[in-house]
Amino acid sequence: QKEVEQNSGPLSVPEGAIASLNCTYSDRGSQSFFWYRQYSGKSPELIMSIYSNGDKEDGRFTAQLNKASQYVSLLIRDSQPSDSATYLCACLPSGAGSYQLTFGKGTKLSVIP
Amino acid sequence: GAVVSQHPSWVICKSGTSVKIECRSLDFQATTMFWYRQFPKQSLMLMATSNEGSKATYEQGVEKDKFLINHASLTLSTLTVTSAHPEDSSFYICSALPGRGNTEAFFGQGTRLTVV
Repeated sequence: QKEVEQNSGPLSVPEGAIASLNCTYSDRGSQSFFWYRQYSGKSPELIMSIYSNGDKEDGRFTAQLNKASQYVSLLIRDSQPSDSATYLCACLPSGAGSYQLTFGKGTKLSVIP
Repeated sequence: GAVVSQHPSWVICKSGTSVKIECRSLDFQATTMFWYRQFPKQSLMLMATSNEGSKATYEQGVEKDKFLINHASLTLSTLTVTSAHPEDSSFYICSALPGRGNTEAFFGQGTRLTVV
C-alpha cells in the first residue's frame, strides 16, 4: 500500500511567521512530489512541485525534498491570513505510465492575524 | 497553469435519479483525466482514471456500473452517478494532465452533489 502521511493539524501560526508543513511517503521509487492548497469547499490548487533533492523556492513558498528520508516539506514565509487552508501533499508513485497521484489527508493551516 | 472546467458546481437531486458531471480541459488536450471523491474532512480518493477513446480504469471498491465515465474527446470527460442515493452525496473533483509525460495535474472546480 503506497501511502502519504501528513499531520492533520490544525497548525496555527501568527501572521508574518514561517509555517512548516511536513509529509512522508512510503513508495521509495516515487519521483514527483506536489503541494496543493485547498480552501474549504473548493478544489485543490497546485502551488509547488519538486522532483529532485534539495530546496525549490517560488515566492514565499519553499519546497524541500529528501528522498533518502522519504520526506518532503513546504515552508511558507511571511504567512498571511489568506494562507489559511488545508495543504495536501501528493506524490506520483513509481511505475511505468503511472500518472495517478497519491494524496495525504492534508494539514489544516490557520494563520492568526 | 492549465484550466480545467467542471460543471455543475453543485447539484441537488432526488434519490434514484442520475446526475451527469462534466469535466473539460479548456486550453489543452487531456488524454488522461482523473475523477476523485472527497467526503468532509477527508482526503481525495481516486475513483477512476479516464482515458480518451478507451474504457475507464476504476479503483478497487468503486462500482463501474454506478459511476459511468465517458471520455469521448481529448477535452471532455463525464461522470454519471446513476441511481444516486444519499450516501453518494460528496464533493466530486476531476483533474487532468496536460499532455503525456507531464506530471502536474490541474483540478476542476469540483461538484458538490447532494442526494435527498
